[in-house]
Amino acid sequence: EAGVVQSPRYKIIEKKQPVAFWCNPISGHNTLYWYRQNLGQGPELLIRYENEEAVDDSQLPKDRFSAERLKGVDSTLKIQPAELGDSAVYLCASSLTITAISGELFFGEGSRLTVL
Amino acid sequence: EDKVVQSPLSLVVHEGDTVTLNCSYEVTNFRSLLWYKQEKKAPTFLFMLTSSGIEKKSGRLSSILDKKELSSILNITATQTGDSAIYLCAAPQGGSEKLVFGKGTKLTVNP
Repeated sequence: EAGVVQSPRYKIIEKKQPVAFWCNPISGHNTLYWYRQNLGQGPELLIRYENEEAVDDSQLPKDRFSAERLKGVDSTLKIQPAELGDSAVYLCASSLTITAISGELFFGEGSRLTVL
Repeated sequence: EDKVVQSPLSLVVHEGDTVTLNCSYEVTNFRSLLWYKQEKKAPTFLFMLTSSGIEKKSGRLSSILDKKELSSILNITATQTGDSAIYLCAAPQGGSEKLVFGKGTKLTVNP
């Protein structure tokens, strides 16, 4: 069974440029998460989807970040314009049930963003 | 504000040693505590502990939840170089499904 697939694995851009990350969750997983992980920190939730509905986006900086999951399967996270402080690893995860019950999130390999 | 604190932040041991990683939590309406292992980039699930399942074991890894002390430990016995990773502790934020992660403990096992 394929795991969570993310692309690109690495991205280097100059500040003020746009960038987009793509995620394809495990087949059948209705819940999809985008996390950001800064160096030396644990992952921080940006947005959570239940199917195509964003049910928790309170930590998403909406002035420059946007996300979509149009058909309730794969998802895109966009940053426009990028700032130096956006350099981080962007992790996508999916789960079959809500976290507190199953406990198991399946993470992708992540997309490492470097903003120069 | 809900938070999860891990200690130590970094640990270096030799193969064969036994290590104990600590996690303390402050979350409202506690439901569960989770441990993940992060090698390279993708965290992988290790254990989930709840009020009805306060001790878990898998091979050389084991974890215990102490609800009285609001903490958990992750033990690794007879460590191997392949155990080198960042170990993350997390708990669902009270009233939501948002996982609050600690900063992690970076474990390095030297041959």
